[in-house]
Amino acid sequence: GAGVSQSPSNKVTEKGKDVELRCDPISGHTALYWYRQRLGQGLEFLIYFQGNSAPDKSGLPSDRFSAERTGESVSTLTIQRTQQEDSAVYLCASSLGDPYRDQETQYFGPGTRLLVL
Amino acid sequence: AQSVTQLGSHVSVSEGALVLLRCNYSSSVPPYLFWYVQYPNQGLQLLLKYTSAATLVKGINGFEAEFKKSETSFHLTKPSAHMSDAAEYFCAVSPSYSSASKIIFGSGTRLSIRP
Repeated sequence: GAGVSQSPSNKVTEKGKDVELRCDPISGHTALYWYRQRLGQGLEFLIYFQGNSAPDKSGLPSDRFSAERTGESVSTLTIQRTQQEDSAVYLCASSLGDPYRDQETQYFGPGTRLLVL
Repeated sequence: AQSVTQLGSHVSVSEGALVLLRCNYSSSVPPYLFWYVQYPNQGLQLLLKYTSAATLVKGINGFEAEFKKSETSFHLTKPSAHMSDAAEYFCAVSPSYSSASKIIFGSGTRLSIRP
């Protein structure tokens, strides 16, 4: 079946503008994650959705960042008043359950490359 | 707290040679350890994971990694490199009892294969 998809694949915006990044997880996956990958660096955890539980937002870097998920499907990551330091690749992943308790595998999307001018 | 260090941001080997990508971790509790691979213009894929079973873990594409508690290492190896192995490799660590929010990724090692 289809993997995790993300859109847009690339986004160029001006400083101060808002952006929305979309993630379509694999159908049936209850868990969804957002990560940020800055150039030459590893992945930074941003937020984690698991079923109907309250999301774990502990990785969001500031209140300019927010994310929503509709049921167990699409998720949107919103960055308000973008800054140049927000430039990065934003990766989404989904899994059947909690991978670190259920030993499930995370499946990553191709990412959205965001450039803030 | 957990952390992971990948030694060498770029490793270059000849086709057919041994691949060794180094990863050292620190963890205050028994860790889970992972290697992910990112091919150009693609998302990350799980290569293999250690979850406190066998210390030698075999993954996809002929890769394997050995958990060595005494050395706090989880190095990734492949006996014979193939051109298709050129990619970025990420080591990651999380505490064995916690949720995904606690996973820490290394900064990555770019593997190049010389013909």
